Amino acid sequence: QSALTQPPSVSGSPGQSVTISCTGTSSDVGGFNRVSWYHQPPGTAPKLLIYGVTNRPSGVPDRFSGSKSGNTASLTISGLQAEDESDYYCSSYTQTSTVVFGGGTKLTVL
Amino acid sequence: QVQLVESGGGAVQPGRSLSLSCAASGFTLSTYGMHWVRQAPGKGLEWVADIWNDGHSKYYVDSVKGRFTISRDSSKNTVYLQMNSLRVEDTAVYYCARDRDWGALDYWGQGTLVTVSS
Repeated sequence: QSALTQPPSVSGSPGQSVTISCTGTSSDVGGFNRVSWYHQPPGTAPKLLIYGVTNRPSGVPDRFSGSKSGNTASLTISGLQAEDESDYYCSSYTQTSTVVFGGGTKLTVL
Repeated sequence: QVQLVESGGGAVQPGRSLSLSCAASGFTLSTYGMHWVRQAPGKGLEWVADIWNDGHSKYYVDSVKGRFTISRDSSKNTVYLQMNSLRVEDTAVYYCARDRDWGALDYWGQGTLVTVSS
């Protein structure tokens, strides 16, 4: 049950695109199309952005997109906005029927 | 609308027990899996446990196995987390969350703080 690996921080300017990676193993990310992404503004509970690798819940802008290749999933945020500044977490269902989160990535909008 | 409200957090000494509750409204608990996720101060999210919609299948992170128990009372639409033999490293905000699809958590409560300290 090792945490998924995310970069501690990423940054970008308004209007640019940024991508956050999430690396696991064949027992979690690589073995299932069950990767989710969340953002957590300071002092609030996490909010679901992406589920099932590529799906957006209703209300999530299409600026947010997900993908996966092998054991690495990615979240891309296009048209970066100031309000996107937040902590972002990935998670995956695992072969032991548990869930594992990534360590989190702090996005700074320059 | 869907709402999750946690309660039961507080300060407790190492080795003691605490029981958390998560009252759900706006949906029927028995049709969804439910999870507990925690976040230590200044740290990232850590999945703790879940209970499937069948009410029987339950899974835990290794660090709490044998100490924590997740359960639910469908008549009260409430999920519980019984925490025994608490350790300092269990200090965290504990969130309950609803599972919309194989570990994708679409609704979260506001969290309840558990502090384990002597």
